[in-house]
Amino acid sequence: KAGVTQTPRYLIKTRGQQVTLSCSPISGHRSVSWYQQTPGQGLQFLFEYFSETQRNKGNFPGRFSGRQFSNSRSEMNVSTLELGDSALYLCASSFLQGVDSPLHFGNGTRLTVT
Amino acid sequence: EDKVVQSPLSLVVHEGDTVTLNCSYEVTNFRSLLWYKQEKKAPTFLFMLTSSGIEKKSGRLSSILDKKELFSILNITATQTGDSAVYLCAVNAGNNRKLIWGLGTSLAVNP
Repeated sequence: KAGVTQTPRYLIKTRGQQVTLSCSPISGHRSVSWYQQTPGQGLQFLFEYFSETQRNKGNFPGRFSGRQFSNSRSEMNVSTLELGDSALYLCASSFLQGVDSPLHFGNGTRLTVT
Repeated sequence: EDKVVQSPLSLVVHEGDTVTLNCSYEVTNFRSLLWYKQEKKAPTFLFMLTSSGIEKKSGRLSSILDKKELFSILNITATQTGDSAVYLCAVNAGNNRKLIWGLGTSLAVNP
């Protein structure tokens, strides 16, 4: 069974640009969550999508948005990039909505903003 | 405010040593506690604990939860270099809507 796939693996962008990250969950998983990981803050929850609807949202500005498609694949978009957006962005999928079942993470997209 | 604190922040041991990693928490409406291992890339799931005093075990790794004292420990016996990683603790708090993550313990196992 294939794991969670995130593309691209690495991205370098400049301030002010926008970026789109992609995540394909494990087959059969309908929940996709996104996290930002930085050394000082650890894992910070961005949002969760289930059945194409955003079910939960963390404390990030509106520049961070996402969506989920009918095949459960998800994309995350960050507009007007800032230096502080440099981080590892992790996607996680699970069979159930919410966090009562363990999350399965992808390898992440390393975003560097210069 | 909900919080999860892991200790120590980092640890260096020799192969064959036994290590104990700690995770303490203060959250509302505790549902479960999870341990993950992260080796530079994707965190991989280790254990989920919901009941106090029941040990979960997988090979050389084991974990136990104390809901009265609000902490969990992760034990690794006979450590190997492949155990070198960051170990993350997360607590499922509230109404199944979010995980509160600790900053992790960075474990280095030297040959």
